[in-house]
Amino acid sequence: QQNVQQSPESLIVPEGARTSLNCTFSDSASQYFWWYRQHSGKAPKALMSIFSNGEKEEGRFTIHLNKASLHFSLHIRDSQPSDSALYLCAVSMMGSNAKLTFGKGTKLSVKS
Amino acid sequence: DAAVTQKPRYLIKMKGQEAEMKCIPEKGHTAVFWYQQKQSKELKFLIYFQNQQPLDQIDMVKERFSAVCPSSSLCSLGIRTCEAEDSALYLCSSTLDRGYAEQFFGPGTRLTVL
Repeated sequence: QQNVQQSPESLIVPEGARTSLNCTFSDSASQYFWWYRQHSGKAPKALMSIFSNGEKEEGRFTIHLNKASLHFSLHIRDSQPSDSALYLCAVSMMGSNAKLTFGKGTKLSVKS
Repeated sequence: DAAVTQKPRYLIKMKGQEAEMKCIPEKGHTAVFWYQQKQSKELKFLIYFQNQQPLDQIDMVKERFSAVCPSSSLCSLGIRTCEAEDSALYLCSSTLDRGYAEQFFGPGTRLTVL
Protein backbone atom coordinates (compact mmCIF):
# COMPACT_ATOMS: atom_id res chain seq x y z
CA GLN A 1 0.00 0.00 0.00
CA GLN A 2 1.30 3.40 -1.01
CA ASN A 3 2.71 5.52 1.81
CA VAL A 4 3.35 9.20 1.12
CA GLN A 5 5.26 11.30 3.65
CA GLN A 6 5.87 15.04 3.62
CA SER A 7 8.45 17.16 5.40
CA PRO A 8 8.60 19.48 7.11
CA GLU A 9 5.20 19.55 8.79
CA SER A 10 5.28 23.31 8.97
CA LEU A 11 7.62 26.04 7.83
CA ILE A 12 7.97 29.76 8.46
CA VAL A 13 10.17 31.71 6.05
CA PRO A 14 10.83 35.42 5.41
CA GLU A 15 9.56 37.09 2.27
CA GLY A 16 12.01 36.63 -0.57
CA ALA A 17 13.44 33.35 0.73
CA ARG A 18 13.83 30.13 -1.23
CA THR A 19 11.57 27.44 0.18
CA SER A 20 11.90 23.68 -0.27
CA LEU A 21 9.17 21.15 0.45
CA ASN A 22 9.78 17.42 0.35
CA CYS A 23 7.75 14.34 -0.40
CA THR A 24 8.68 10.67 -0.30
CA PHE A 25 6.64 7.75 -1.58
CA SER A 26 6.91 4.02 -1.06
CA ASP A 27 5.75 2.36 -4.29
CA SER A 28 8.35 2.38 -7.06
CA ALA A 29 5.60 1.82 -9.63
CA SER A 30 4.25 5.32 -8.95
CA GLN A 31 3.89 7.22 -12.16
CA TYR A 32 2.41 10.67 -11.63
CA PHE A 33 3.46 13.21 -9.03
CA TRP A 34 1.54 16.28 -7.96
CA TRP A 35 1.70 19.29 -5.72
CA TYR A 36 -1.60 20.80 -4.64
CA ARG A 37 -1.94 24.08 -2.78
CA GLN A 38 -4.76 25.01 -0.43
CA HIS A 39 -5.15 28.55 0.84
CA SER A 40 -6.99 28.96 4.12
CA GLY A 41 -10.72 28.40 3.67
CA LYS A 42 -10.34 27.46 0.01
CA ALA A 43 -10.41 24.28 -2.04
CA PRO A 44 -7.13 22.53 -2.89
CA LYS A 45 -5.89 23.35 -6.37
CA ALA A 46 -3.24 21.62 -8.43
CA LEU A 47 -0.06 23.68 -8.56
CA MET A 48 2.33 21.53 -10.57
CA SER A 49 2.82 17.98 -11.74
CA ILE A 50 5.68 15.91 -13.12
CA PHE A 51 5.64 12.55 -14.83
CA SER A 52 9.31 11.77 -15.54
CA ASN A 53 12.61 12.12 -13.72
CA GLY A 54 14.14 15.55 -13.70
CA GLU A 55 12.99 19.09 -13.13
CA LYS A 56 10.15 21.26 -14.32
CA GLU A 57 9.97 25.00 -13.78
CA GLU A 58 6.93 27.23 -13.92
CA GLY A 59 7.57 30.80 -12.87
CA ARG A 60 8.84 30.86 -9.29
CA PHE A 61 8.04 27.19 -8.75
CA THR A 62 10.23 24.20 -9.58
CA ILE A 63 9.35 20.56 -9.11
CA HIS A 64 12.05 17.94 -8.97
CA LEU A 65 11.57 14.18 -9.22
CA ASN A 66 14.00 11.36 -8.44
CA LYS A 67 12.15 8.07 -8.85
CA ALA A 68 15.17 5.97 -7.80
CA SER A 69 15.21 7.78 -4.46
CA LEU A 70 11.40 7.67 -4.19
CA HIS A 71 11.47 11.42 -3.67
CA PHE A 72 10.11 14.57 -5.20
CA SER A 73 10.20 18.15 -4.07
CA LEU A 74 8.79 21.61 -4.65
CA HIS A 75 11.00 24.67 -4.58
CA ILE A 76 9.65 28.18 -4.36
CA ARG A 77 11.94 31.01 -5.37
CA ASP A 78 11.38 34.52 -3.91
CA SER A 79 8.62 33.38 -1.55
CA GLN A 80 5.71 35.78 -1.18
CA PRO A 81 3.13 36.19 1.61
CA SER A 82 0.53 35.02 -0.92
CA ASP A 83 2.36 31.67 -1.02
CA SER A 84 1.26 31.05 2.57
CA ALA A 85 -0.90 27.93 2.35
CA LEU A 86 -1.09 24.20 2.99
CA TYR A 87 0.95 22.31 0.38
CA LEU A 88 -0.09 18.75 -0.33
CA CYS A 89 1.93 16.29 -2.37
CA ALA A 90 0.14 13.43 -4.11
CA VAL A 91 1.05 10.36 -6.11
CA SER A 92 -0.87 8.19 -8.55
CA MET A 93 -0.04 4.89 -10.18
CA MET A 94 0.44 3.76 -13.75
CA GLY A 95 -2.72 2.91 -15.59
CA SER A 96 -6.13 4.39 -16.01
CA ASN A 97 -6.98 4.83 -12.34
CA ALA A 98 -6.99 8.46 -11.22
CA LYS A 99 -6.83 7.76 -7.50
CA LEU A 100 -4.30 9.96 -5.70
CA THR A 101 -2.59 9.20 -2.44
CA PHE A 102 -1.93 12.43 -0.56
CA GLY A 103 0.68 13.29 2.02
CA LYS A 104 -0.29 14.98 5.29
CA GLY A 105 0.70 18.41 4.07
CA THR A 106 3.22 21.13 4.87
CA LYS A 107 1.87 24.38 6.25
CA LEU A 108 3.92 27.24 4.84
CA SER A 109 3.86 30.74 6.31
CA VAL A 110 5.74 33.51 4.52
CA LYS A 111 6.31 36.54 6.74
CA SER A 112 6.73 40.02 5.30
CA ASP B 1 -11.02 26.37 -14.53
CA ALA B 2 -13.23 23.35 -13.94
CA ALA B 3 -16.19 23.90 -11.67
CA VAL B 4 -17.18 21.34 -9.08
CA THR B 5 -20.19 22.37 -7.05
CA GLN B 6 -20.95 21.26 -3.53
CA LYS B 7 -24.07 21.89 -1.47
CA PRO B 8 -24.74 22.88 1.18
CA ARG B 9 -21.63 24.86 2.10
CA TYR B 10 -22.40 24.58 5.80
CA LEU B 11 -24.30 21.91 7.69
CA ILE B 12 -25.06 21.73 11.41
CA LYS B 13 -26.38 18.51 12.91
CA MET B 14 -27.02 17.18 16.36
CA LYS B 15 -25.31 13.99 17.42
CA GLY B 16 -27.36 11.05 16.17
CA GLN B 17 -28.95 12.91 13.26
CA GLU B 18 -28.54 12.02 9.62
CA ALA B 19 -26.56 14.29 7.29
CA GLU B 20 -26.44 14.53 3.52
CA MET B 21 -24.25 16.55 1.20
CA LYS B 22 -24.18 16.74 -2.57
CA CYS B 23 -21.59 17.19 -5.28
CA ILE B 24 -22.02 18.13 -8.91
CA PRO B 25 -18.87 17.03 -10.74
CA GLU B 26 -17.38 18.79 -13.73
CA LYS B 27 -19.17 17.80 -16.92
CA GLY B 28 -17.38 14.99 -18.71
CA HIS B 29 -15.41 13.83 -15.70
CA THR B 30 -15.79 10.12 -15.04
CA ALA B 31 -14.14 9.83 -11.63
CA VAL B 32 -15.45 11.34 -8.40
CA PHE B 33 -13.71 11.33 -5.03
CA TRP B 34 -14.77 12.28 -1.53
CA TYR B 35 -12.28 13.38 1.14
CA GLN B 36 -12.57 14.39 4.78
CA GLN B 37 -10.37 17.22 6.08
CA LYS B 38 -10.12 18.11 9.74
CA GLN B 39 -8.58 21.34 11.02
CA SER B 40 -7.14 22.30 7.62
CA LYS B 41 -4.81 19.34 7.61
CA GLU B 42 -4.42 16.20 5.55
CA LEU B 43 -7.01 14.98 3.11
CA LYS B 44 -8.40 11.66 4.25
CA PHE B 45 -9.66 9.57 1.33
CA LEU B 46 -13.20 8.29 1.82
CA ILE B 47 -14.54 6.84 -1.44
CA TYR B 48 -13.85 6.77 -5.19
CA PHE B 49 -16.41 6.37 -7.97
CA GLN B 50 -15.57 5.51 -11.54
CA ASN B 51 -18.44 5.95 -14.02
CA GLN B 52 -20.83 6.14 -11.05
CA GLN B 53 -19.66 2.83 -9.56
CA PRO B 54 -17.85 2.75 -6.19
CA LEU B 55 -14.41 1.23 -6.76
CA ASP B 56 -12.68 1.89 -3.47
CA GLN B 57 -13.73 3.04 0.00
CA ILE B 58 -12.44 2.95 3.52
CA ASP B 59 -14.03 0.84 6.25
CA MET B 60 -15.54 3.87 7.99
CA VAL B 61 -17.58 4.65 4.88
CA LYS B 62 -18.82 1.07 4.59
CA GLU B 63 -19.91 1.10 8.22
CA ARG B 64 -21.48 4.50 8.80
CA PHE B 65 -21.74 6.41 5.54
CA SER B 66 -23.85 6.09 2.43
CA ALA B 67 -22.46 7.29 -0.89
CA VAL B 68 -23.98 7.12 -4.34
CA CYS B 69 -23.66 8.70 -7.75
CA PRO B 70 -27.12 8.19 -9.29
CA SER B 71 -26.08 10.06 -12.39
CA SER B 72 -22.94 11.42 -13.97
CA SER B 73 -24.03 14.88 -12.87
CA LEU B 74 -24.80 14.25 -9.21
CA CYS B 75 -23.19 12.43 -6.30
CA SER B 76 -24.11 12.43 -2.64
CA LEU B 77 -22.43 11.51 0.61
CA GLY B 78 -24.51 10.76 3.67
CA ILE B 79 -23.79 9.99 7.29
CA ARG B 80 -26.41 7.74 8.83
CA THR B 81 -25.82 8.73 12.46
CA CYS B 82 -23.61 11.76 13.03
CA GLU B 83 -20.97 11.68 15.71
CA ALA B 84 -18.86 14.55 17.05
CA GLU B 85 -15.77 13.13 15.32
CA ASP B 86 -17.51 13.59 11.95
CA SER B 87 -17.17 17.37 12.24
CA ALA B 88 -14.95 18.24 9.28
CA LEU B 89 -14.77 19.74 5.82
CA TYR B 90 -15.97 17.24 3.23
CA LEU B 91 -14.38 17.80 -0.15
CA CYS B 92 -15.54 16.37 -3.44
CA SER B 93 -13.28 16.23 -6.48
CA SER B 94 -13.73 15.08 -10.04
CA THR B 95 -11.39 14.22 -12.87
CA LEU B 96 -10.98 12.38 -16.12
CA ASP B 97 -10.11 8.90 -14.91
CA ARG B 98 -6.45 8.94 -15.88
CA GLY B 99 -3.43 9.04 -13.62
CA TYR B 100 -2.11 12.13 -15.38
CA ALA B 101 -5.36 14.06 -15.00
CA GLU B 102 -5.74 16.85 -12.47
CA GLN B 103 -8.36 16.46 -9.77
CA PHE B 104 -10.58 19.51 -9.46
CA PHE B 105 -12.02 20.18 -6.04
CA GLY B 106 -15.26 21.76 -4.96
CA PRO B 107 -15.38 24.29 -2.11
CA GLY B 108 -16.48 21.64 0.36
CA THR B 109 -19.29 21.17 2.85
CA ARG B 110 -18.35 22.08 6.41
CA LEU B 111 -20.19 19.78 8.79
CA THR B 112 -20.48 20.62 12.47
CA VAL B 113 -21.93 17.99 14.78
CA LEU B 114 -23.13 19.32 18.13
